Amino acid sequence: SYVLTQPPSVSVAPGRTARITCGGNNIGSESVHWYQQKSGQAPVLVVYDDSDRPSEIPERFSGSNSGNTATLIISNVEAGDEADYYCQVWDRSSDHIWVFGGGTKLTVL
Amino acid sequence: EVQLVQSGAEVKKAGESLKIFCKGSGYNFPIYWIAWVRQMPGRGLEWMGLTYPNGSDTRYNPSFQGQVTISVDKSINTAYLEWSSLKASDTAIYYCTRQGLTTTFNPVFDFWGQGTVVTVSS
Repeated sequence: SYVLTQPPSVSVAPGRTARITCGGNNIGSESVHWYQQKSGQAPVLVVYDDSDRPSEIPERFSGSNSGNTATLIISNVEAGDEADYYCQVWDRSSDHIWVFGGGTKLTVL
Repeated sequence: EVQLVQSGAEVKKAGESLKIFCKGSGYNFPIYWIAWVRQMPGRGLEWMGLTYPNGSDTRYNPSFQGQVTISVDKSINTAYLEWSSLKASDTAIYYCTRQGLTTTFNPVFDFWGQGTVVTVSS
């Protein structure tokens, strides 16, 4: 089955840019979604189709996807961005099998 | 406004049965798949399976096949997740989520329920 690999943690100072990676075999050919989960809350979709944002998500959230790595990019990081972030793909080879990455804890210093 | 409202927290003993629910509102419930996602304490998200209300089609993550049953009643806009015999390892938060479509028609989990905490003692 398809495996997505994320770093367990990323730390960034307020106002800087955070980059959270998601590795997978030829992931650049897949559509990658990203979810934010704050402590004690349900996940929220923040980026879909590699780099698009739901209308209610700030422009500071964006993404890229190429080769074997997809990246969630959070610009001008704020304290409120501290959360766990999960990447996700739909493994078409297995017919409607959803795969999540292991999650990355973003700490705002 | 799209909403998915889940049933309340449950405390059960190992070997007992359990059925939790997820009620959708604010959208055309029958035409969107509903998925269930598990989050064990301190762990990540795991997709368990999904169901299509209009056709009663249900698909499972092989890791959960035979361990749970996913069902739906479109007449009351409600999906269910059921166990016939709980284990302590079933202790987790269970989320339901709507599978919508992106602007390029890719499937995505666009709305989530608040989660149901299930605690199973051995």
